[in-house]
Amino acid sequence: DQQVKQNSPSLSVQEGRISILNCDYTNSMFDYFLWYKKYPAEGPTFLISISSIKDKNEDGRFTVFLNKSAKHLSLHIVPSQPGDSAVYFCAASVAGTYKYIFGTGTRLKVLA
Amino acid sequence: GAGVSQSPRYKVAKRGQDVALRCDPISGHVSLFWYQQALGQGPEFLTYFQNEAQLDKSGLPSDRFFAERPEGSVSTLKIQRTQQEDSAVYLCASSLVTGHLNYGYTFGSGTRLTVV
Repeated sequence: DQQVKQNSPSLSVQEGRISILNCDYTNSMFDYFLWYKKYPAEGPTFLISISSIKDKNEDGRFTVFLNKSAKHLSLHIVPSQPGDSAVYFCAASVAGTYKYIFGTGTRLKVLA
Repeated sequence: GAGVSQSPRYKVAKRGQDVALRCDPISGHVSLFWYQQALGQGPEFLTYFQNEAQLDKSGLPSDRFFAERPEGSVSTLKIQRTQQEDSAVYLCASSLVTGHLNYGYTFGSGTRLTVV
C-alpha cells in the first residue's frame, strides 16, 4: 500500500517557466511533509518542508502548497532553471515517529 | 566530516555472501537512519538510531539484516546470505535533532549493492 504517491514519473519544462510537481497521500495522520531533490549518484538533498498547520511555505523560487482536505501537496518552482533538473521526492511523517515515507519520485527536466 | 560518508560506494556480492556497509555520520549528529532504495522507487525506512540505541528496526526486511552503532557515531549495516532482492542503494542519513524530525536529514551518497 503506497501511502505517498507521485503519479507523474517525469516532467519536462522550458527554462524560465513554472514547474509543478504533485504528490498525493492517503494517511490522514501525516503532519509533516518534505520535498527532497536528488541528482544522479548523490543522496537526496532536503529542499523545503511544510507542517500540516500551514497551507503554504515559500523559500526563494520554491513554494510548497498543502491541501489537507484533498490530501495533496505540490511543489512549484518559478522560474525553472536547467540546474533544477533532478529527481524530486515528496516525503511525509507522523508525529512521534522517526521515519519518513517517500513517494517514488518525479524526474524533472528543465530544457534550456 | 562535512557530510555523511558511506563506503563502499559500490559493492557486488555473490548470492549467499555476507556484506557490511559503513556509514560515517556528520560529527555530533545524534540521529542516524538507514534507508533502502530499490530501482525506480523512493527510499524506504530500515532502522533508526539515537546515539548508540537502536530505537526502531521495524523496516528491516528480514533477520538477515542487522545494524549497529556501538559508540554512537559510525554505523554498520550488515546483510547476511545476500539474495538478489537485496540489490538496491542503501542510504544512510543523520540529523542533529532527536524525536520528530522537522528539518529533514542529511543523506550520504549511498552504497549501491548488486547481488549476482
